[in-house]
Amino acid sequence: QKEVEQNSGPLSVPEGAIASLNCTYSDRGSQSFFWYRQYSGKSPELIMFIYSNGDKEDGRFTAQLNKASQYVSLLIRDSQPSDSATYLCAVINPPGGGNKLTFGTGTQLKVEL
Amino acid sequence: DAGITQSPRHKVTETGTPVTLRCHQTENHRYMYWYRQDPGHGLRLIHYSYGVKDTDKGEVSDGYSVSRSKTEDFLLTLESATSSQTSVYFCATRDFATDTQYFGPGTRLTVL
Repeated sequence: QKEVEQNSGPLSVPEGAIASLNCTYSDRGSQSFFWYRQYSGKSPELIMFIYSNGDKEDGRFTAQLNKASQYVSLLIRDSQPSDSATYLCAVINPPGGGNKLTFGTGTQLKVEL
Repeated sequence: DAGITQSPRHKVTETGTPVTLRCHQTENHRYMYWYRQDPGHGLRLIHYSYGVKDTDKGEVSDGYSVSRSKTEDFLLTLESATSSQTSVYFCATRDFATDTQYFGPGTRLTVL
């Protein structure tokens, strides 16, 4: 069983729409959650992190965390073609052992004109 | 980018040869990580370091070794490269204050 699950996509949304990306995790003790964006041929870049249940907003991005249901989501408002990329969800499992990140395989987002 | 560079950026080598990849950071982060990224598998941790001369294994450490003699440098060595080690390798450092990892630009390694 994969520890962090994401739908591989592609998820296609029209320009200006809201893109909703979802991630579930298996370890109930997970405490820190991250969203990275990765353009083709480039390295992952951090978009947001979230530690507490609820919503966290940063510009056009909102991360949502529900620990009881073990999912974390990323909403992108007013989607732009430049948002087309693969979005990686990552989780830090229970503390200790280097605070290692476990990544999902990513969801490919396509924003269409 | 947290001031992370990787070298070389691209390398083609032959099966059985040793290969060393270098990660250099200017952020004075204590923790450093090596990942590999393959289609269908995502990013997987190879080894990490929690200080000079302090390293530990990740989930896919077989066939790899690491060394860290200075805070700023973390080396990944493939003792005898195999075709299954063809991959993109990323180095990352961790910002202790936010637990956030920042990634270097990556090294594309092809083992023929």
